Amino acid sequence: QSVLTQPPSASGTPGQRVTISCSGSSSNIGSNYVYWYQQLPGTAPKLLIYRNNQRPSGVPDRFSGSKSGTSASLAISGLRSEDEADYYCAAWDDSLSGREVFGTGTKVTVL
Amino acid sequence: EVQLVESGGGLVQPGGSLRLSCAASGFTFSSYEMNWVRQAPGKGLEWVSYISSSGSTIYYADSVKGRFTISRDNAKNSLYLQMNSLRAEDTAVYYCARLWEGLDYWGQGTLVTVSS
Repeated sequence: QSVLTQPPSASGTPGQRVTISCSGSSSNIGSNYVYWYQQLPGTAPKLLIYRNNQRPSGVPDRFSGSKSGTSASLAISGLRSEDEADYYCAAWDDSLSGREVFGTGTKVTVL
Repeated sequence: EVQLVESGGGLVQPGGSLRLSCAASGFTFSSYEMNWVRQAPGKGLEWVSYISSSGSTIYYADSVKGRFTISRDNAKNSLYLQMNSLRAEDTAVYYCARLWEGLDYWGQGTLVTVSS
């Protein structure tokens, strides 16, 4: 049902840089802001990036977002063990009557 | 401190109904748009419904349209989700979330299980 496609998994060793992609279409990522959420095991999601590349206060600058055309990416630099979580992209979709759409989710593992 | 606390989840039979509530505190509830998002066991996030700050604009996911009704009572700082004709595939943790530059605050979630 998700219209935003993410890789199911990504991994890296501590200190490495990991990038997660999010592919959409002209009706969602192509014409609206992209948001990223982090969900630690057993907890509610947390807003990580808003308006494509802005970090809410308290989010480390190790996390960065970017968008180009109908795709977006989240980069985690200086990977830490506490970054092991599920990550979801999201965007508003202008098709039909409008709806928010989430990505399929990416599990990040710190090796 | 912003807090969102969901309640009303539980076990219900297929075809049954349930009403979820979300109690908001720590911010001016009437100024914010709100959403419901759900997560089936072991699955990803699925947006369910949106309501504007005044309640005048509402959207639903196709999967729940015609069965679920979102509403709010700004005087009581509360958000609701009336769920009718429940199906097994509606089994999930339901989160309420505030919308401000993204879904910036989330509740802890309430589990809805649809099973006979």
